[in-house]
Amino acid sequence: TAGITQAPTSQILAAGRSMTLRCTQDMRHNAMYWYRQDLGLGLRLIHYSNTAGTTGKGEVPDGYSVSRANTDDFPLTLASAVPSQTSVYFCASSDTGAGTGELFFGEGSRLTVL
Amino acid sequence: GQNIDQPTEMTATEGAIVQINCTYQTSGFNGLFWYQQHAGEAPTFLSYNVLDGLEEKGRFSSFLSRSKGYSYLLLKELQMKDSASYLCAVLDSNYQLIWGAGTKLIIKP
Repeated sequence: TAGITQAPTSQILAAGRSMTLRCTQDMRHNAMYWYRQDLGLGLRLIHYSNTAGTTGKGEVPDGYSVSRANTDDFPLTLASAVPSQTSVYFCASSDTGAGTGELFFGEGSRLTVL
Repeated sequence: GQNIDQPTEMTATEGAIVQINCTYQTSGFNGLFWYQQHAGEAPTFLSYNVLDGLEEKGRFSSFLSRSKGYSYLLLKELQMKDSASYLCAVLDSNYQLIWGAGTKLIIKP
């Protein structure tokens, strides 16, 4: 089982350019999340989606947008990248209707904005 | 504000036991998670505690005291592959996960 697939795994981006990080899951989980991870800080939630067709803002949503057209896909878009968006981005999903609601993470996308 | 505190780094010896502590102050409590994250990889689920007490799972155990806002992860018979960061996270009253910065565990032979 693939679980969660993220693409690209790494990217260097010029400031001001737009970028979409892709995330696809094959577990039919209802909830999906985008986090960023920076050195010395805990994972910070950017946006989330509890079910297909709905999205919500997390702790650090500014400069990012998401969509959830279907259950499997949850892309994250940076409309105009800035150097402070240099980070490792993790997509995650959970089946909030069962078990502990543990998160399953993708392998991460390392983004450098110059 | 909401806060999760855990040590930044710990060092232990192969074969020994180590305890990683986590204290939290959150708006409500709906459970505490521990995740393991190897360098350059994704976090993976280790344990979930919602009631007070000790949950044992092989070489790893997790303890929770809700009245003290405290948890620990206990790793026994340490192996080199246990070198990783260990992340503590609390599910608050809004069912949002609040994450600690993680504890980097270094295992020495």
